[in-house]
Amino acid sequence: GEDVEQSLFLSVREGDSSVINCTYTDSSSTYLYWYKQEPGAGLQLLTYIFSNMDMKQDQRLTVLLNKKDKHLSLRIADTQTGDSAIYFCAEREIIFGSGTRLSIRP
Amino acid sequence: NAGVMQNPRHLVRRRGQEARLRCSPMKGHSHVYWYRQLPEEGLKFMVYLQKENIIDESGMPKERFSAEFPKEGPSILRIQQVVRGDSAAYFCASSPPQGGRTEAFFGQGTRLTVV
Repeated sequence: GEDVEQSLFLSVREGDSSVINCTYTDSSSTYLYWYKQEPGAGLQLLTYIFSNMDMKQDQRLTVLLNKKDKHLSLRIADTQTGDSAIYFCAEREIIFGSGTRLSIRP
Repeated sequence: NAGVMQNPRHLVRRRGQEARLRCSPMKGHSHVYWYRQLPEEGLKFMVYLQKENIIDESGMPKERFSAEFPKEGPSILRIQQVVRGDSAAYFCASSPPQGGRTEAFFGQGTRLTVV
C-alpha cells in the first residue's frame, strides 16, 4: 500500500544545516509536500515540489526530489531555534509520514 | 478569509461518553480530512469527505467512530463511548475542489482527553 517513511528525530547545532529525509511509495504522486508543526499547533504548509522537478529552493529551504529512488529531502540552511518543530512529509492530502522531530542545540 | 476552524480546542470526556468534534472548512473548500495524532506520534489519516459524501474512510476505526459533512454546517467527527485510548489531538484539514495542486489547510486541532 501507499506509505511515507521518515526518521523520527534529528538534532542539529544552531547555525548548521538540517536535512530531513523521506521515502514514499506512490510513484503517481503529482505533488509532494513538507509541513511544519510547532508545539501545540496544527500543521502549516512549508513548501511543496511538483513531481517533474528535481529541486526547489525557497529562501532557507531546499527540497530535493529523487523520483527514481522515491526519495524526498528538506534542507534547512542556517538552522535557528525557531525551526524546532515536527516536520511532516506528505504525498497527497491523506498520506503523511510519521514526522521528524527537529531539535536545535546551542 | 478565516482559516479552518475547529472547536472545541480542548475537550474532556469521561469514559463511555460521546465526543463531538467540529470542523468548519475554509470558505470555498469542499473537501475535508480528519486526522488523529496520538501523543508523541505522527499524523494518521482517518477520513476524507466531500459535502454529503464519504470519499475515503480507510483510516477510521470500524466501531464507535463516524464522520459527516452535511450540506450546511461544519463537518462533525463523532466518537461514541470514548475510551482512554481515544485521547489524542484530532486535526481537520480542508482543500478546494480537486484540480491542479491541492494543498490541505489545517485547523489548530481539538485535544481530546478521556478521563
